[in-house]
Amino acid sequence: AQKITQTQPGMFVQEKEAVTLDCTYDTSDQSYGLFWYKQPSSGEMIFLIYQGSYDEQNATEGRYSLNFQKARKSANLVISASQLGDSAMYFCAMREGPPRGYNKLIFGAGTRLAVHP
Amino acid sequence: NAGVTQTPKFQVLKTGQSMTLQCAQDMNHEYMSWYRQDPGMGLRLIHYSVGAGITDQGEVPNGYNVSRSTTEDFPLRLLSAAPSQTSVYFCASSPPAGSNYGYTFGSGTRLTVV
Repeated sequence: AQKITQTQPGMFVQEKEAVTLDCTYDTSDQSYGLFWYKQPSSGEMIFLIYQGSYDEQNATEGRYSLNFQKARKSANLVISASQLGDSAMYFCAMREGPPRGYNKLIFGAGTRLAVHP
Repeated sequence: NAGVTQTPKFQVLKTGQSMTLQCAQDMNHEYMSWYRQDPGMGLRLIHYSVGAGITDQGEVPNGYNVSRSTTEDFPLRLLSAAPSQTSVYFCASSPPAGSNYGYTFGSGTRLTVV
């Protein structure tokens, strides 16, 4: 069965520094997608970045990049130049490929990031 | 604004009461899902739908019913509320296979069962 593991319940980083949030996954599918979401204290779920299992290059979106290591089944989120507004809960999630699991987005337990001035 | 709309935002129920959480999206997405979020456990899938008239169970379906009569709406029914169903509920939608952007989530419904 598919599973997402986030081993860091909490992390802190100094403003303007980079931080890596860990995510490992388990799936028997060859086709899958990996997502990161941000949940600020207001509660909404904000999509950050996506990596497909067949994508050869690591995904990047502004200050967010995904360090995808397929053989190790890891999909770590890197936030560069941290800002105070980055303080939030971060979730890693996986969606297996069609047709069986496509609509099933499975989440990890999350990592709470605190950015210190 | 286009997106996923959930109502109500807050609800308190007594044990044994029933209610329906509403979810509507205006993006013509085929896929819709319901999740619950409990402290320290991330989001868990309750039910999902791949199109009008088609629904299936997720990880934690017991105590919940869904139906999908239109593309836009995907209500979640609590049949007989229990304190264990106290949680934050999120509805999400997604276009079908081939999309590389994330699911769009509603703003959530905070449910307390006393």
